[in-house]
Amino acid sequence: SQQGEEDPQALSIQEGENATMNCSYKTSINNLQWYRQNSGRGLVHLILIRSNEREKHSGRLRVTLDTSKKSSSLLITASRAADTASYFCALGGATNKLIFGTGTLLAVQP
Amino acid sequence: EAGVAQSPRYKIIEKRQSVAFWCNPISGHATLYWYQQILGQGPKLLIQFQNNGVVDDSQLPKDRFSAERLKGVDSTLKIQPAKLEDSAVYLCASSLMGGSSYNEQFFGPGTRLTVL
Repeated sequence: SQQGEEDPQALSIQEGENATMNCSYKTSINNLQWYRQNSGRGLVHLILIRSNEREKHSGRLRVTLDTSKKSSSLLITASRAADTASYFCALGGATNKLIFGTGTLLAVQP
Repeated sequence: EAGVAQSPRYKIIEKRQSVAFWCNPISGHATLYWYQQILGQGPKLLIQFQNNGVVDDSQLPKDRFSAERLKGVDSTLKIQPAKLEDSAVYLCASSLMGGSSYNEQFFGPGTRLTVL
């Protein structure tokens, strides 16, 4: 399969804890992106990391990319109840085409 | 700035009927995408337009699905005839342009289709 495989499928944590999600893939990529989806705001872009980058930060988000292992991780620090959502990695190709992964369902308990 | 608009938000039809979805992208966005998201899965790209031309429709089931973007702005996606397995959320997204440069994709609220 060309899509990303995410791990874990589901994650439940307490508010204030950190959440880590992983994405593994098999194809070559131009970039890797992370999206969040919840019923309130739909599918929203969070962060992009290019294939020649190793780490990127945005607010409470930290993304790493290891192209030799074909894997990426998304770390959300100091989680909040509002972070409860499904998180998807998406493999970015040359024409801006995205191939989405299977998703991680994150539940943050208040 | 107005976001991507989609209608209808919900649609219930019988199998073998036809259905159409409409999408109006963000003003000035040259690239428009239609995705299918089956419950519990990530979105799957059906078709990508650059202005009014098709960039990628490799995963569009062309025997029953069709899409057009005649004036390079809004777009319609049609299913005819529908099957039970077409039950899904259909998401429309737009971006400034495709090509080799990355441009963030902005998603609409989606149309939830139920085929009975």
